[in-house]
Amino acid sequence: AQKVTQAQTEISVVEKEDVTLDCVYETRDTTYYLFWYKQPPSGELVFLIRRNSFDEQNEISGRYSWNFQKSTSSFNFTITASQVVDSAVYVCALTPSGGSYIPTFGRGTSLIVHP
Amino acid sequence: DAGVIQSPRHEVTEMGQEVTLRCKPISGHNSLFWYRQTMMRGLELLIYFNNNVPIDDSGMPEDRFSAKMPNASFSTLKIQPSEPRDSAVYFCASRYVDSTGELFFGEGSRLTVL
Repeated sequence: AQKVTQAQTEISVVEKEDVTLDCVYETRDTTYYLFWYKQPPSGELVFLIRRNSFDEQNEISGRYSWNFQKSTSSFNFTITASQVVDSAVYVCALTPSGGSYIPTFGRGTSLIVHP
Repeated sequence: DAGVIQSPRHEVTEMGQEVTLRCKPISGHNSLFWYRQTMMRGLELLIYFNNNVPIDDSGMPEDRFSAKMPNASFSTLKIQPSEPRDSAVYFCASRYVDSTGELFFGEGSRLTVL
């Protein structure tokens, strides 16, 4: 069975601050996929990134970066120079590579960026 | 291309009433998921279909919940009778069967049971 833990329920920052959202996972699979989704106030979950468990390279996309560390079973998400538009719920997920490929989601972290 | 379409976006009903939520998956996707999201539990998988066939409904809370997928382009989630604890946001999502890629979510149906 898989488990995804996002211990931070809510984070509040002031615009231009850097912020890191934590995601810790548990799985017995050797191959799996990790995801981050953004859920703005409108409600729809929007896909941000997918990472294969064999690829531990960090990734950067604009102000977003992801730090995957297999040794600590973590897949953390950092927003640099946060903006008000970054305010949303961010959800981490894990999909196993076998079986039914059903994702397990974390509870999400609500990020509030104040102007 | 249109994304996953859900209706209604908002539903307010009284306890004991029947509620029907609808979903149209992305054309071509043959796997459909129903999730419930609450603050306490986050996203919970209720049921999923592959090629219109229910595969796992172990997440359906009680017999009051039922889901159908009569064809590849339409699914319903029904709650009868509804209770206040059913208040949540219900999401439909779709993708290709056995894909390891992301799920494509609808905008959700916010249900409030008074």
